[in-house]
Amino acid sequence: DIQMTQSPASLSASLGETVTIECLASEDIYSNLAWYQQKPGKSPQLLIYDASSLQDGVPSRFSGSESGTQYSLEINSLQSEDAATYFCQQHHDYPYTFGAGTKLELK
Amino acid sequence: QVTLKESGPGILQPSQTLSLTCTFSGFSLSTYGMGVGWIRQPSGKGLEWLANIWWDDDKYYNPSLKNRLTISKDTSNNQAFLKITNVDTADTATYYCARIVYGYNYFDYWGQGVMVTVSS
Repeated sequence: DIQMTQSPASLSASLGETVTIECLASEDIYSNLAWYQQKPGKSPQLLIYDASSLQDGVPSRFSGSESGTQYSLEINSLQSEDAATYFCQQHHDYPYTFGAGTKLELK
Repeated sequence: QVTLKESGPGILQPSQTLSLTCTFSGFSLSTYGMGVGWIRQPSGKGLEWLANIWWDDDKYYNPSLKNRLTISKDTSNNQAFLKITNVDTADTATYYCARIVYGYNYFDYWGQGVMVTVSS
């Protein structure tokens, strides 16, 4: 199975700041990475697919990038509604695997 | 507009079989490229992919659950199903179904989830 190591597990940031969340794949996943946002009591929502493509309707302050097997989600100009848990998922090969999640708290 | 909604028993006892239903609209599982996946999440924990079923009835399972999973579909009623046999407390989780499109393989629309508790 492809392991997705996500970091940090949690972070706290202020409104207007920029934060970065990372996922390291245990092998090459050829940009087949998605990012999801999950708010408490809600289902995950797709933010980014294919490492850097923004899902329709997602604010442009969210962006994805990659460097080798390291994938990053950047959130610019943090808003209060960005407080959530973020997960990465590799969709390159079965079994699909997710990162453990990053809980983002707004100060 | 794509929507999905899961339904299940709520609570069941160890060793029983869990049967889940995903009822969806806005797409068809008889259309080329369409698929439905099941993902679960224990309370306060991460996401675990369980199984996918595709428009052509191709099926994929997470080998970590070995032979306990069976996924199926009813295209005429826009439903997908998941059965998990011989459940135990480790299967207590919120279960989600989600749409997946062939060649893209990420989950673009999710249901609200159904909570399942395994308890004696």
